[in-house]
Amino acid sequence: QKEVEQDPGPLSVPEGAIVSLNCTYSNSAFQYFMWYRQYSRKGPELLMYTYSSGNKEDGRFTAQVDKSSKYISLFIRDSQPSDSATYLCAAPKAAGNKLTFGGGTRVLVKP
Amino acid sequence: EADIYQTPRYLVIGTGKKITLECSQTMGHDKMYWYQQDPGMELHLIHYSYGVNSTEKGDLSSESTVSRIRTEHFPLTLESARPSHTSQYLCASSDRLASSYEQYFGPGTRLTVT
Repeated sequence: QKEVEQDPGPLSVPEGAIVSLNCTYSNSAFQYFMWYRQYSRKGPELLMYTYSSGNKEDGRFTAQVDKSSKYISLFIRDSQPSDSATYLCAAPKAAGNKLTFGGGTRVLVKP
Repeated sequence: EADIYQTPRYLVIGTGKKITLECSQTMGHDKMYWYQQDPGMELHLIHYSYGVNSTEKGDLSSESTVSRIRTEHFPLTLESARPSHTSQYLCASSDRLASSYEQYFGPGTRLTVT
């Protein structure tokens, strides 16, 4: 079983809609969760991170963690065509800064 | 914007050739990483380094080797390229602080071995 899993998509939404992305993890030791955005032919860039359970909001982006169900979510409000990208969730392993990545969900926002 | 650079961006090379993928960062980060990513697939860590003269193999077995002679430079070498090495290779770096999990990624090198 992969430690971090995501639906690969693609997830297609009209401009202005809310994008809802999910990630599940199996390692109970994960305490810290991150969302990266990767545009085609580019390296991933950190969008936001959250520690333990709860919500974190940053502009149009909201990250949620539900540790009881080992579920991580990212919501994008008022989606724009520029949000079209692959979104990867990640969690650091207990030792050091090594990250475990999910496979990513491809999002298409249609104008 | 992250100051981490990779060259070449694209490389098409024949089987058996030796290649070196370059990665440099100007942020003074101690930790550097190499990932392999096939299209639509997750990133797999193949090498990492926690400082000069420190290198370790990652979670995914790779025939490549790395060196870390300078803080800012973390090249990856394939002694004899094969078609199975065709992939995208991403370099990343992070700060030495244990609480800093953010990794900054370069743009990647897309390698095709014919």
